[in-house]
Amino acid sequence: GQQVMQIPQYQHVQEGEDFTTYCNSSTTLSNIQWYKQRPGGHPVFLIQLVKSGEVKKQKRLTFQFGEAKKNSSLHITATQTTDVGTYFCAGPNSGYSTLTFGKGTMLLVSP
Amino acid sequence: DARVTQTPRHKVTEMGQEVTMRCQPILGHNTVFWYRQTMMQGLELLAYFRNRAPLDDSGMPKDRFSAEMPDATLATLKIQPSEPRDSAVYFCASAFPGQGYTEAFFGQGTRLTVV
Repeated sequence: GQQVMQIPQYQHVQEGEDFTTYCNSSTTLSNIQWYKQRPGGHPVFLIQLVKSGEVKKQKRLTFQFGEAKKNSSLHITATQTTDVGTYFCAGPNSGYSTLTFGKGTMLLVSP
Repeated sequence: DARVTQTPRHKVTEMGQEVTMRCQPILGHNTVFWYRQTMMQGLELLAYFRNRAPLDDSGMPKDRFSAEMPDATLATLKIQPSEPRDSAVYFCASAFPGQGYTEAFFGQGTRLTVV
């Protein structure tokens, strides 16, 4: 079945440093979604990428979808303590019937 | 403010007891997911429904877990009998897949502890 892998599992940075998490799928994806889960909270949708090579920005967050539509990345510039949480990528299966989530990257930011 | 509502938020129960978790999806969403989250396994898909019909429950231990959607406003996940290894956070999410996939909206989860 479809597998979605994320690296790293965990990263601890100092406030102001950059952060990147990578997502790889075992199959070609029609689109990829990114979610953020704050400690003790629930996953919240951030963005969806659809086109090959697509790049989208949300303030300090930059999302990229690979040319082959099998990988994606999330880059945060100049992290802040509010960025703390776990970032998940998710891809639908071929029939658009379900979402498979990666295991997430937990980000800890020290002031 | 449309949201997915889950009850209860927290549940502590003894091993062997029945546990029922409820979810009210966002009105109009025709797809409902149940996920289980643990530190070790991350977010695991247990079951999902489309237009109230179960499409895939291969992620659920069939002998003790059951998921139903008696009407469009209620989805339930039941564990009977519960075991300590079932301790986790259970999330319900709903979506309305259009052309391409739209976002899934998660409830706040039910934190289950089985002692």
